[in-house]
Amino acid sequence: DQQVKQNSPSLSVQEGRISILNCDYTNSMFDYFLWYKKYPAEGPTFLISISSIKDKNEDGRFTVFLNKSAKHLSLHIVPSQPGDSAVYFCAASDRGNGGSNYKLTFGKGTLLTVNP
Amino acid sequence: DTGVSQDPRHKITKRGQNVTFRCDPISEHNRLYWYRQTLGQGPEFLTYFQNEAQLEKSRLLSDRFSAERPKGSFSTLEIQRTEQGDSAMYLCASSSQGEQFFGPGTRLTVL
Repeated sequence: DQQVKQNSPSLSVQEGRISILNCDYTNSMFDYFLWYKKYPAEGPTFLISISSIKDKNEDGRFTVFLNKSAKHLSLHIVPSQPGDSAVYFCAASDRGNGGSNYKLTFGKGTLLTVNP
Repeated sequence: DTGVSQDPRHKITKRGQNVTFRCDPISEHNRLYWYRQTLGQGPEFLTYFQNEAQLEKSRLLSDRFSAERPKGSFSTLEIQRTEQGDSAMYLCASSSQGEQFFGPGTRLTVL
């Protein structure tokens, strides 16, 4: 039972264009969402997060959008660069008490390839 | 380097043997997490410590698995009587109040 779904296993874009990675979730208790990037032989690296009280968060080239009614979030990368080529994981948490985002539930990931 | 470190990076063992992995979190982080990642999947939560207390264990963590964080600093994950299905990447992460920071992982291969 996948509570966090990334339905596109892979995505290929041209350098300089926009990359859009999508994520859907089923658990309505999730209130904090994160995107991680993973290179081969390394652990996931935190990219950007968003709380359920917001619908958009931006950090440089990365923007995350959250649509709570659709239980959908997306990561936009503009402009895409070859160094962005990696596996991107969407993750979610029900923060519960204390506001700490423990126990992350991850999607299966999307392999992004940015072609020069 | 003040990131999360894990040791060893790779472990090959024979079925039935015991293995132990170590994780050293970022020093000021009081929360420590273990995840497991298999091929084609995202990381799956195994267990969580706040300081030395183990506060939650996933049902994925069978009785062959045990984790400790004796002094609230480093943690160990032991797998007893390994099975081929235990082959995976074992990831450790730490946090204070915010996002979790992951180590490079230990790749376990059970022959």
